[in-house]
Parts: sequence; structure tokens; C-alpha cells
Amino acid sequence: DAKTTQPTSMDCAEGRAANLPCNHSTISGNEYVYWYRQIHSQGPQYIIHGLKNNETNEMASLIITEDRKSSTLILPHATLRDTAVYYCIVRVQGSWGKLQFGAGTQVVVTP
Amino acid sequence: ETGVTQTPRHLVMGMTNKKSLKCEQHLGHNAMYWYKQSAKKPLELMFVYNFKEQTENNSVPSRFSPECPNSSHLFLHLHTLQPEDSALYLCASSQGGQGTGELFFGEGSRLTVL
Repeated sequence: DAKTTQPTSMDCAEGRAANLPCNHSTISGNEYVYWYRQIHSQGPQYIIHGLKNNETNEMASLIITEDRKSSTLILPHATLRDTAVYYCIVRVQGSWGKLQFGAGTQVVVTP
Repeated sequence: ETGVTQTPRHLVMGMTNKKSLKCEQHLGHNAMYWYKQSAKKPLELMFVYNFKEQTENNSVPSRFSPECPNSSHLFLHLHTLQPEDSALYLCASSQGGQGTGELFFGEGSRLTVL
């Protein structure tokens, strides 16, 4: 699976949009981009995933560049409960869920 | 309620003890996983089970012994652990195969080895 690079940390004001970048320049054509988050001392939670097209669900939006070498997770209106470590992972869909987690981005949402 | 339940949530054991962690999923999935998360380290995949068969052992020491009696239950048997094995142990499940690959995690079992 391709490696990803994320900033170590970022702050975001409550109510504002949080834009989390991820670089995956070695991504293969059949690899998807997945985002998970982990609130302190809890299990990771799936957020969203995509291949080429932009995706949106009730939690977030995922914007993937045309060359697929980077992506951005957007939390449209950050709340204090969005404070967590956010992981960007690329892997082949259906490969038995063997996610390789990196260090992720620690997002702190402040009042 | 995540659909994946882990017990116990907290466990303290001595190095000579034998204990087990239990995981149960109510999602109808056919793949289950054990991950380990040590302090200030990324999650590490330990074991993968597909349809009750172990398909991956990520060079885990033999003092950790997994058991998967059916697709809904997964155990991690622990014996003669070391203090450095203290960590959060996370269980997850997924559809597997050509499914979306989304993993559902439990809340974890916090293990302290004295």
C-alpha cells in the first residue's frame, strides 16, 4: 500500500471548516483513499473513502486531486467533538481491511 | 454502540498471569482483526482472520495467542507478558472480500502489565 504524508497537528476554530491535507504521491490506480479518526482512548472511526471522484457524506467531504497524488478531508463546521487524530490511508479496496496506520494529524478544535 | 464489543475494557495483570481479551461483532462481518496501540505509536496490525482462518500474523510474539471460534468472536489469549506489552488492544471487523473495506473498531481493551 502507498505511503501517506500528513501534517503532525493543526488547530481549527469551532464552527469553521477544517481542511486536512494528505499527500500520497505513490498511489496506484487501484488504491483508494480512506480517512479514519480516533478520539482519545477510543477505537478509530471510519469517516469516508474515495477513488477518483470527490465524495461527501454526513460527516465530511473528500476532495481528491485530478492526478490523485493528494487529497483533502473537509469537516464543514468543526465542533469540539471533532478533536481527534485523523488518519489518511491508501489501500486496495477489498484487501481484507489490512489498514496500515501512520501517525496521523492531531486536530484540536478550539472554542 | 459500534457493533464491536470488547471485554474487559481495562485489565491489569502480572507477568506470570494468563488472561484473555474478548471481542464480539454483531455486524455479520466475516473478517476480524487485532491491532495494538502503544503509547505515542501508530496502530500496529497483529492478526487477521477471514472466515475463522488466520490469514496474517504480523510477526507477533507467541505469548499472544489468537483464537477465532466463529466469525462473530475473536479472542486474544495472553500469557507471560512483559511490561512493554502494556497497550490499548483494539479489535475490528469488516466485510472482507470485495466489500468497501471499512473497518469497524471496538472501544479497545487497555492492558497494563506489571
